[in-house]
Amino acid sequence: NAGVTQTPKFQVLKTGQSMTLQCAQDMNHNSMYWYRQDPGMGLRLIYYSASEGTTDKGEVPNGYNVSRLNKREFSLRLESAAPSQTSVYFCASRTSGSVHEQYFGPGTRLTVT
Amino acid sequence: GNSVTQMEGPVTLSEEAFLTINCTYTATGYPSLFWYVQYPGEGLQLLLKATKADDKGSNKGFEATYRKETTSFHLEKGSVQVSDSAVYFCALSDLVGNTPLVFGKGTRLSVIA
Repeated sequence: NAGVTQTPKFQVLKTGQSMTLQCAQDMNHNSMYWYRQDPGMGLRLIYYSASEGTTDKGEVPNGYNVSRLNKREFSLRLESAAPSQTSVYFCASRTSGSVHEQYFGPGTRLTVT
Repeated sequence: GNSVTQMEGPVTLSEEAFLTINCTYTATGYPSLFWYVQYPGEGLQLLLKATKADDKGSNKGFEATYRKETTSFHLEKGSVQVSDSAVYFCALSDLVGNTPLVFGKGTRLSVIA
């Protein structure tokens, strides 16, 4: 079981460039999430998808778009990167049922210069 | 809305010292409670969980008890090791709908030999 996988692990962009962060899970989870983690800020939710075909904004959605391609994959796109988007990005998926455990990917460290 | 407050770090302890990281929550209804751990350079991993009042979650020598009367879920370990150095996050899950986990800001623990 690979769990939650993310690509790439590291990325450097120039201001204004675009890129897509990829996330996939092999646990048959319905819900998937994108977070960013900045020093001293904890985790902040960017977008989430409760099920295939649906997406919702989280706490900090501006500057990002998402696509729930199928049940396994949930991508995050930066259309025009800004230095304020320098961060570590984590994807997560969650079990269904009565106890909602979340499983996290290893993260993508993004630097925008 | 739901929220989680955990003690601010960083916390620095000597090896074999007793650890407590405080966590209190605000929620409607009866949430599930979690502790996640993030080792340097990695994503978050579920450490332990509790789903109802008076439940005790435990794993790797860590324990936390779900206290409804004090709305708390404090993390404890009797004797910490250098390998426990990490950031610890308290979180809650509202069982209503598909709302994402709510995380505290994290507490950084450093254990010195």
